[in-house]
Amino acid sequence: RKEVEQDPGPFNVPEGATVAFNCTYSNSASQSFFWYRQDCRKEPKLLMSVYSSGNEDGRFTAQLNRASQYISLLIRDSKLSDSATYLCVVNTRYSTLTFGKGTMLLVSP
Amino acid sequence: GAGVSQSPSNKVTEKGKDVELRCDPISGHTALYWYRQSLGQGLEFLIYFQGNSAPDKSGLPSDRFSAERTGGSVSTLTIQRTQQEDSAVYLCASSLGVTGYEQYFGPGTRLTVT
Repeated sequence: RKEVEQDPGPFNVPEGATVAFNCTYSNSASQSFFWYRQDCRKEPKLLMSVYSSGNEDGRFTAQLNRASQYISLLIRDSKLSDSATYLCVVNTRYSTLTFGKGTMLLVSP
Repeated sequence: GAGVSQSPSNKVTEKGKDVELRCDPISGHTALYWYRQSLGQGLEFLIYFQGNSAPDKSGLPSDRFSAERTGGSVSTLTIQRTQQEDSAVYLCASSLGVTGYEQYFGPGTRLTVT
């Protein structure tokens, strides 16, 4: 099993739609979780951290399920500018971040 | 403040030549990472430095790859005798620490080996 797994997509959604991505991780000792966004031919940029209690930042909501070892990202009211690849990132206690291969989102008019 | 910077932004080199890629991390960040990303692929971890500790070189694909970090700041990734399969974007990132800290990426160096 890969350390961090994501559905590569693409997810094609119309503007205004709500879309959710899941990501599973294999190491139960993982302690820190993030979502990054990567635009085409650009570097990854931090979107948000994922906290145990779940957290929200505007239209974006991240949740963590430790029992099932997955994290999720929900995007409400999708915008054209949300089109990007979303990377799930996991960090175990004494290791660096492990990046998933990403889920591609395409928002169409 | 200033983010992570990398140079050059693009590098075209002939097969067999050596190349050096430079990364200047965010001031005060003790951890520095190198990744590479081939077209349409995910990030591949290469190496990281944390403070004065020995670097974790576990991701380096071959002994043609090496990296150093001088004075706990600027880092150079060197690829010797480049091969066509080395063509990729080489990304550098830095963070305040290793455990639990988010990483901030530079814009990358696009390496093309002809």
